[in-house]
Amino acid sequence: EAGVAQSPRYKIIEKRQSVAFWCNPISGHATLYWYQQILGQGPKLLIQFQNNGVVDDSQLPKDRFSAERLKGVDSTLKIQPAKLEDSAVYLCASSFRRAGGELFFGEGSRLTVL
Amino acid sequence: AQTVTQSQPEMSVQEAETVTLSCTYDTSESDYYLFWYKQPPSRQMILVIRQEAYKQQNATENRFSVNFQKAAKSFSLKISDSQLGDAAMYFCAYEDSGGGADGLTFGKGTHLIIQP
Repeated sequence: EAGVAQSPRYKIIEKRQSVAFWCNPISGHATLYWYQQILGQGPKLLIQFQNNGVVDDSQLPKDRFSAERLKGVDSTLKIQPAKLEDSAVYLCASSFRRAGGELFFGEGSRLTVL
Repeated sequence: AQTVTQSQPEMSVQEAETVTLSCTYDTSESDYYLFWYKQPPSRQMILVIRQEAYKQQNATENRFSVNFQKAAKSFSLKISDSQLGDAAMYFCAYEDSGGGADGLTFGKGTHLIIQP
């Protein structure tokens, strides 16, 4: 079974530029998450989708971050304009069930903002 | 909001010995899930073990077991017969049973070093 795919693995941009990350979850997983993991910290939830609907985006900085999940499968996370403090690893995860189930993580997209 | 605290930034253990990683959490809920996830260097995070709060029996997965103390809001992970492949960051995580708005709340992690 294929795992969660993410791209790009690494991205370096200058502040105020834009960037987009892509995630393809495990087939059949209705729940998809984007987490931000700053160096030395645990992952922080940015947004949670159930199929193509948003369950929670309360911690997403909506003035600069946006995310969508088209047709309940792939998802993209966009940052525009980027700030220095956005430097982090962006983790995508998917799960078969909404609560209590195992999350399957991708390898992450490491963003460096200069 | 729920919080998860891992008080040990780093732990070191000799290969084949036993190590215990600590985790405490704060919640007003009575039904929830607790997890330990492992993040090896430059590799994706994977689930180690899962505990349902309404179950009194501590979860066990081969060499990994937990000590779940609901009243104390404590959830420690014991790794027996430590192996070199166990070296990783370990994150404790909490989730409301209703799939609450916070999703999974993670601690800051414990870096586990295995000495050969």
